[in-house]
Amino acid sequence: EDQVTQSPEALRLQEGESSSLNCSYTVSGLRGLFWYRQDPGKGPEFLFTLYSAGEEKEKERLKATLTKKESFLHITAPKPEDSATYLCAVPPEGYRDSWGKLQFGAGTQVVVTP
Amino acid sequence: EAQVTQNPRYLITVTGKKLTVTCSQNMNHEYMSWYRQDPGLGLRQIYYSMNVEVTDKGDVPEGYKVSRKEKRNFPLILESPSPNQTSLYFCASSSLGAEAFFGQGTRLTVV
Repeated sequence: EDQVTQSPEALRLQEGESSSLNCSYTVSGLRGLFWYRQDPGKGPEFLFTLYSAGEEKEKERLKATLTKKESFLHITAPKPEDSATYLCAVPPEGYRDSWGKLQFGAGTQVVVTP
Repeated sequence: EAQVTQNPRYLITVTGKKLTVTCSQNMNHEYMSWYRQDPGLGLRQIYYSMNVEVTDKGDVPEGYKVSRKEKRNFPLILESPSPNQTSLYFCASSSLGAEAFFGQGTRLTVV
């Protein structure tokens, strides 16, 4: 059973056009939520960790927020170099040691055009 | 520099010929994992390890083996590769409660 769902699947933005990506999760006792950026053919690159509802983290044009049911990744005034697939991941419920068993969403593919 | 190193980066092999993809990390992480990534299916975990000699199945373990004899290394073994194992593979490592670091990926083609 999927415990993390991302939307939209794809997003096409003009340079400077701000938008938000969604990551919703069904884990009841969330112990952490991770955001990653992935460029084609490369390994995911860590962006943020959020541990509790209300927490926010920022890095350049990216800001991640967390509620009790979902997380948002806000991209403010994006540039073409922000084009990538953005993934979120959570340690799932029901496993002996879920920290080793991160469940990833399918990702949102973002394309920013000049 | 903290890193996860996979080898080889690219591999083309024939059906049934045993192969090993190596993974090494230099961060003294307890957790290591293998994922495969296929178009439209996202990242799927193959196996993971919580520490030396402790491993467990992920979501798609069939056709794969792993071992964790040393903390830094976590090789992925395909005893008899088949074309449906053609994929992009990633190794990752992490410590408890912290983010995972990923390797550069291994693109495997089985013909």
